[in-house]
Amino acid sequence: DIVMTQSPDSLAVSLGERATITCKSSQSVLFRSNNKNYLAWYQQKPGQPPKLLIYWASTRESGVPDRFSGSGSGTDFTLSINNLQAEDVAVYYCHQYYTTPQAFGQGTRLEIK
Amino acid sequence: QVQLRESGPGLVRPSETLSLTCSVSGVSLSSGGYYWSWVRQLPGKGLEWIGHIYYSRSADNNPSLQSRASISVDTSKNQISLKLNSVTAADTAIYYCARDTITHAMDVWGQGTTVIVSS
Repeated sequence: DIVMTQSPDSLAVSLGERATITCKSSQSVLFRSNNKNYLAWYQQKPGQPPKLLIYWASTRESGVPDRFSGSGSGTDFTLSINNLQAEDVAVYYCHQYYTTPQAFGQGTRLEIK
Repeated sequence: QVQLRESGPGLVRPSETLSLTCSVSGVSLSSGGYYWSWVRQLPGKGLEWIGHIYYSRSADNNPSLQSRASISVDTSKNQISLKLNSVTAADTAIYYCARDTITHAMDVWGQGTTVIVSS
């Protein structure tokens, strides 16, 4: 099974600054036939279900602000949030959907410094 | 607009079977094109994929649940069901259903339903 590991577990960033979260998979999630990484990022606010932000490692879901960006390939991925806003306070999860069982990272709690 | 709504008993006794339903609106399950996943979130913890199903195929379940989970589709009611047998307190969680696009990950989620396992 693929294991997803995020770092850090929590971070505090000042408003207007950049937040960076990394995610490492224990095996590659790159599907070579279409050169797509089956890696997604979600945002979860208290009392709400997860919200899809990024899929295919770097494609923003419709309606997601362009402050959110994803990068990486193979086993190493990054979620960056530029110009941090107060409404970005949440827990962020990476998710591999390359193979079953699908798996999520343990989550990164983002707070305002 | 696709919407998902989970329902089921909020309290289940240990060793019994947890049964949840996800009602889908805005799309017909029998039209195909998507898998439908169950994901749970243990109290204060992260997300765990339980399994998914395509309307015309058998489900894929997470082996971590040791074959206790069963996912099925009722196209006549446009619902997806989850049964988890032999529950213990460790199965206390928020249970979500989600549309699993396979290519675009899980793009639509229900609000979740809380299940407590306790005598």
